[in-house]
Amino acid sequence: DAKTTQPTSMDCAEGRAANLPCNHSTISGNEYVYWYRQIHSQGPQYIIHGLKNNETNEMASLIITEDRKSSTLILPHATLRDTAVYYCIVRVPPDSYNNNDMRFGAGTRLTVKP
Amino acid sequence: DAGVTQSPTHLIKTRGQQVTLRCSPKSGHDTVSWYQQALGQGPQFIFQYYEEEERQRGNFPDRFSGHQFPNYSSELNVNALLLGDSALYLCASSLSYGLTSSTDTQYFGPGTRLTVL
Repeated sequence: DAKTTQPTSMDCAEGRAANLPCNHSTISGNEYVYWYRQIHSQGPQYIIHGLKNNETNEMASLIITEDRKSSTLILPHATLRDTAVYYCIVRVPPDSYNNNDMRFGAGTRLTVKP
Repeated sequence: DAGVTQSPTHLIKTRGQQVTLRCSPKSGHDTVSWYQQALGQGPQFIFQYYEEEERQRGNFPDRFSGHQFPNYSSELNVNALLLGDSALYLCASSLSYGLTSSTDTQYFGPGTRLTVL
């Protein structure tokens, strides 16, 4: 699975959009980009994933560059409860013998400030 | 619909002891993965169970073993505990094998905090 690089920490003002970048320059053609977040002392929470097209759900938007070497997670209106560590992960889709382990890096610690 | 549950919430053991942690997957899920998260670090993959067999394993010694039961619940066992085994142990469940879609997302439980003294 490809490695990812994320900034160690970021701040965002409450109510503003939080844009979290992720570099994955060695991503291969069949690897997906996943985002999870982990609020203090809780288990990681799935946010969104995508292959090459931009994706949006009720939590966030995922923008993947055309060359797929980087992506940005966007929280459109950050709240104090969005303060967490955000993990960007790339992995191949599961098959019968290689399935589903998520390789986490250190992530980005996002602090939303009033 | 219950999510992933883990027990116990917290555990304190001494070096050399053995520990068993338990996980019940989200309803409808058949695959369980275990992760270790040391303080200040991201979760590290230990192993994954499907159809009561270990399917994949990360870079962890044989002191770490597991089991999956017919109801898909799982246990993580750690023998001969070391101080370095102190961590948050996370269980994640998913619906896998038979799907080739990326949509079989892993859902994590709240974790068990293990302290080894």
